[in-house]
Amino acid sequence: EVQLVESGGGLVQPGGSLRLSCAASGFTFSSYWMSWVRQAPGKGLEWVANMNQYGSEKHYVDSVKGRFTISRDNAKNSLYLQMNSLRAEDTAVYYCARGLGAADTLWGQGTLVTVSS
Amino acid sequence: DIQMTQSPSSLSASVGDRVTITCRASQGIRNDLGWYQQKPGKAPKRLIYATSSLQSGVPSRFSGSGSGTEFTLTISSLQPEDFATYYCLQHNSYPLTFGGGTKVEIK
Repeated sequence: EVQLVESGGGLVQPGGSLRLSCAASGFTFSSYWMSWVRQAPGKGLEWVANMNQYGSEKHYVDSVKGRFTISRDNAKNSLYLQMNSLRAEDTAVYYCARGLGAADTLWGQGTLVTVSS
Repeated sequence: DIQMTQSPSSLSASVGDRVTITCRASQGIRNDLGWYQQKPGKAPKRLIYATSSLQSGVPSRFSGSGSGTEFTLTISSLQPEDFATYYCLQHNSYPLTFGGGTKVEIK
């Protein structure tokens, strides 16, 4: 089955760290740009970061630059988001997405990150 | 950054109505725009890509148009399952940006 499955969300204290994972299956993961998109409770969608197939090009929204790092392991068909120095405003459902600009986009179901003391 | 101004932010409509949602970009984005539908507790589902191309499996009552800075999503005859929140997304330049969303509610 063609799917993306996120994991790693949970409750973390302000200033803490968390690493999200996205497991891809059913397609050639190494052929696609991959993104992270988030949605704070009751709010709209926000693109967070993306990277190319080889890991050589990465982009971030300003609010996470220097704190979040996107990475991938094509051998494991996995995408990651390392989140450091977390803030309350980072509380959101985080979605992994394939090829946001491509004809064959695909989204996971999301994982909830809650930053609270 | 390119700002995507989506309007209206909400609307009430009846089954069978024609519904139009607009996204205006703060600068030209060619046709690098998609439209998404999101239902509560679910991941977004893309309806339209490249401004006017219908995603596979999406009903033909959904259509997209526009170019440059103004884009429109039209639902020709609203169905009960279409009550949801809709977002546009520009992928022309970084950071990628979504519109603020349009919540379509039952009148």
